[in-house]
Amino acid sequence: GEDVEQSLFLSVREGDSSVINCTYTDSSSTYLYWYKQEPGAGLQLLTYIFSNMDMKQDQRLTVLLNKKDKHLSLRIADTQTGDSAIYFCAESIFRDDKIIFGKGTRLHILP
Amino acid sequence: GAGVSQSPSNKVTEKGKDVELRCDPISGHTALYWYRQRLGQGLEFLIYFQGNSAPDKSGLPSDRFSAERTGESVSTLTIQRTQQEDSAVYLCASSLRQTIQGYGYTFGSGTRLTVV
Repeated sequence: GEDVEQSLFLSVREGDSSVINCTYTDSSSTYLYWYKQEPGAGLQLLTYIFSNMDMKQDQRLTVLLNKKDKHLSLRIADTQTGDSAIYFCAESIFRDDKIIFGKGTRLHILP
Repeated sequence: GAGVSQSPSNKVTEKGKDVELRCDPISGHTALYWYRQRLGQGLEFLIYFQGNSAPDKSGLPSDRFSAERTGESVSTLTIQRTQQEDSAVYLCASSLRQTIQGYGYTFGSGTRLTVV
């Protein structure tokens, strides 16, 4: 079945690194995504990784994919107050046109 | 347009009334999706349109919910005889092609529906 799981909350001190984890169940995933939702806004695509890649880096963001364990993580270096948001992990599957979303991880930044 | 546009941004309605929510996708995007997000919850898939194919309605929670799309343009989501549990943010997204291409979705800002 299709299922994407992630923890609901994460608190990090400003300046530290944030690591948001996600697990998925469908081994036929093609792309895995991280979306960011700020208060009162829609979801914004942050980054994505193709399923045959292990890592992707984009400025402060690092995505790691362990396909064997079906585990995806998003690392945000030097976390800032503007990073406070809900982060959604998602997967798309070859046979389907829908993206399956996790419930989102609310990132709270401590001063 | 430059982004996905949804209207209205906020809607307060009385229980039992019908509401229509509108979504203008990005020009040229063949796929359009509706999701519901209840307070503090994740995204709940409602319906998906792809070009001229029959829509995937598998996520609609009841027959009070329906959606239409004219060609590859505007879509309307209609909720009849609204109930308090329909209160949520309704998000629309569009996509250039099938998601297997890795384009992901572009989301609108949503319509916040409050049923009183």
